[in-house]
Amino acid sequence: NAGVMQNPRHLVRRRGQEARLRCSPMKGHSHVYWYRQLPEEGLKFMVYLQKENIIDESGMPKERFSAEFPKEGPSILRIQQVVRGDSAAYFCASSPPGTQAQYFGPGTRLTVT
Amino acid sequence: AQRVTQPEKLLSVFKGAPVELKCNYSYSGSPELFWYVQYSRQRLQLLLRHISRESIKGFTADLNKGETSFHLKKPFAQEEDSAMYYCALSNSGNTGKLIFGQGTTLQVKP
Repeated sequence: NAGVMQNPRHLVRRRGQEARLRCSPMKGHSHVYWYRQLPEEGLKFMVYLQKENIIDESGMPKERFSAEFPKEGPSILRIQQVVRGDSAAYFCASSPPGTQAQYFGPGTRLTVT
Repeated sequence: AQRVTQPEKLLSVFKGAPVELKCNYSYSGSPELFWYVQYSRQRLQLLLRHISRESIKGFTADLNKGETSFHLKKPFAQEEDSAMYYCALSNSGNTGKLIFGQGTTLQVKP
């Protein structure tokens, strides 16, 4: 099992561009979580998805951010019109049904210039 | 409000010394508590969870509901234990999202 995959590992965007972050969960895992880590801070929950469903998006900023986990393919975290404050490490985690233990990907480091 | 507090940003000990990384939480229900570790240039990985009552790499953690604490302990630190440690709480029974503390960097000196 390859573990949770995230790509790209590093992403540089200019202010106003769009950022797309991808997450492929571990085989057999149907739950995906996205977390954001701002500099000098801990990880903060953003959104929890199951296939084709957003279960909890209470940590998502109200504007510019969206997430999906389609029936086929990876989960996508999309940030439109990025601003400097979006610069952070974005982590994806997956878990199988019936357990609270989450397995993390290596993260995507987004830098907005 | 649900919160996890790790009061120490950095903990520095000598090899062979006992280690205790502190974690306090605030949660109204029955939480599930975890410790995650991130070694240099590696991804965040699960170290242990309170319901398993296990010892991993010599580390243990006991959930103290009276003191709302879940401190991580090891009797004799090793240099390879140097890493960033995060305490996390899950709102089990709901969506399972993790609430993380700020993290503590453990530095084990030779």
